[in-house]
Amino acid sequence: NAGVTQTPKFRVLKTGQSMTLLCAQDMNHEYMYWYRQDPGMGLRLIHYSVGEGTTAKGEVPDGYNVSRLKKQNFLLGLESAAPSQTSVYFCASSTDRNYNSPLHFGNGTRLTVT
Amino acid sequence: AQKITQTQPGMFVQEKEAVTLDCTYDTSDPSYGLFWYKQPSSGEMIFLIYQGSYDQQNATEGRYSLNFQKARKSANLVISASQLGDSAMYFCAMREGGGNNDMRFGAGTRLTVKP
Repeated sequence: NAGVTQTPKFRVLKTGQSMTLLCAQDMNHEYMYWYRQDPGMGLRLIHYSVGEGTTAKGEVPDGYNVSRLKKQNFLLGLESAAPSQTSVYFCASSTDRNYNSPLHFGNGTRLTVT
Repeated sequence: AQKITQTQPGMFVQEKEAVTLDCTYDTSDPSYGLFWYKQPSSGEMIFLIYQGSYDQQNATEGRYSLNFQKARKSANLVISASQLGDSAMYFCAMREGGGNNDMRFGAGTRLTVKP
């Protein structure tokens, strides 16, 4: 019962470095999402995917790129990290995008950019 | 644009008592869903309860219930018989049925249960 798995759990970057966060789900969900969580702001959607090979921008997409080459995986990339990208990142998945579909979350990745 | 407001940054409750966490929302879409998630100190996001805009009755899941007042656009979470393990951040969220149906979250309420 792995559900949604995120790697790594923690990461420290220097300004300007790049990195990729990996999200994998074993629930055969079509829809996957990347959120960031900042104090006092809840979770905000970065990018999402409605299926293999497709991606779309969310509320705060600047500075991030994503790819969904396989249905079960959704990658989040930072090409040139900035201190403003220090945050906790959550991946999530859902069976569909209907308004009654809950999201299933991974355990998060804490990223610090110095 | 949809908006979720949680006005209580922090709440305290005595163990075994009930507590209400407030959530108001704003949408013009007649079809929408309201969700509550729990985030314990370990960091994971746990789905607790769901209420649809067309549901006639308030949702319940064990000790959790959702006090849905559609005309007032509020969806408060009620936790009965609080336990120490209920200490966590709680997030209210909403998805609309049409257009942008991304799940949007409130800022959260930190609940502390006192022994």
